[in-house]
Amino acid sequence: DTGVSQNPRHKITKRGQNVTFRCDPISEHNRLYWYRQTLGQGPEFLTYFQNEAQLEKSRLLSDRFSAERPKGSFSTLEIQRTEQGDSAMYLCASSLGGQETEAFFGQGTRLTVV
Amino acid sequence: SQKIEQNSEALNIQEGKTATLTCNYTNYSPAYLQWYRQDPGRGPVFLLLIRENEKEKRKERLKVTFDTTLKQSLFHITASQPADSATYLCARGKDTLTFGKGTMLLVSP
Repeated sequence: DTGVSQNPRHKITKRGQNVTFRCDPISEHNRLYWYRQTLGQGPEFLTYFQNEAQLEKSRLLSDRFSAERPKGSFSTLEIQRTEQGDSAMYLCASSLGGQETEAFFGQGTRLTVV
Repeated sequence: SQKIEQNSEALNIQEGKTATLTCNYTNYSPAYLQWYRQDPGRGPVFLLLIRENEKEKRKERLKVTFDTTLKQSLFHITASQPADSATYLCARGKDTLTFGKGTMLLVSP
């Protein structure tokens, strides 16, 4: 297993377009997290899943943001009607959960909205 | 809200010295504090976790302390090397994490 994989690595989109990012976690990990990171800031928690159940979504930035993990494996994060303020690095992480708390992060998807 | 504060100024040290980075938190003590390393353009990499009831945790050249009186965690890298140059992030929490802004460490040869 090569770790957490995110695609695409970079995305440039025009304002108003919808974008979708994919995250493939480490295969045996049942927890999956999405974070957003802007320049000079630490990652900001957005949402997370335990298997296919989305356990926390109140921190998603607006109703334009949604995430799914349909079969408890990969996850997608969608941003509808993108705005310039959505430009950021979107990071996915996974962990075993329980007492094993170490989170493994992917390389991130850098979104630029023009 | 529960905040994590890290010194936003870069820390410059010479190779071989000990680097000490500070993380302060607000309000109640978190049950867990975690430290991550982040290189430019890459995701954070987990380094150490320390629990509220632990005073100190070590891993190779790394040491983390947790002082609930001062509401502070210190992160030390002994015998620092240029390869240790990176941004170091402190986070509170066990599963969903609240990160600080990170402190950039620059180790000069």
